[in-house]
Amino acid sequence: RKEVEQDPGPFNVPEGATVAFNCTYSNSASQSFFWYRQDCRKEPKLLMSVYSSGNEDGRFTAQLNRASQYISLLIRDSKLSDSATYLCVVNGLTGTASKLTFGTGTRLQVTL
Amino acid sequence: EAEVAQSPRYKITEKSQAVAFWCDPISGHATLYWYRQILGQGPELLVQFQDESVVDDSQLPKDRFSAERLKGVDSTLKIQPAELGDSAMYLCASSLENDATYEQYFGPGTRLTVT
Repeated sequence: RKEVEQDPGPFNVPEGATVAFNCTYSNSASQSFFWYRQDCRKEPKLLMSVYSSGNEDGRFTAQLNRASQYISLLIRDSKLSDSATYLCVVNGLTGTASKLTFGTGTRLQVTL
Repeated sequence: EAEVAQSPRYKITEKSQAVAFWCDPISGHATLYWYRQILGQGPELLVQFQDESVVDDSQLPKDRFSAERLKGVDSTLKIQPAELGDSAMYLCASSLENDATYEQYFGPGTRLTVT
């Protein structure tokens, strides 16, 4: 089983739609969680951290369920500029080292 | 805004040749990471430095890959000899400290094609 699993998509949605991505992780000792965004042929960039209480940043909402080892990202009112790959990222601390494990990414294509 | 610099941006090499990538992290960032990203997959950590010391190189194929960060600032990743399966994007990232609360900033990457 992969450490971090995501549906690769692609998700094709019309502008204005709401879309949700899910992610599961296998290491129950994981300490922190993130969503990164990666545009085609570009480097990943941090979109948002994910907290147990859930957090929202504009049109983006992230949720964490530690009991189910499940992370989600909800995008409301999708824009063309949201088209990208969304990477679920888990930090499993090993000793004193912080180690990020990336999912394969979910590709989103927003269309007119 | 400070950025992580990488060079070259693109590299085409023949198999069995040697290739090297360079990374200059954001000034003051103690932790430096090298990742490999194969098309259609997420980045995979190859090696992590804290200052000039290797913290984690468990996923680095040490028979052909080497990495160094001699003065604790910039870093070089080398592959010798290159194999067809090494074709990928090589990403460098840095963070202020080796702690999950600090964001990792990625450079633009070096896209390697081995023919």
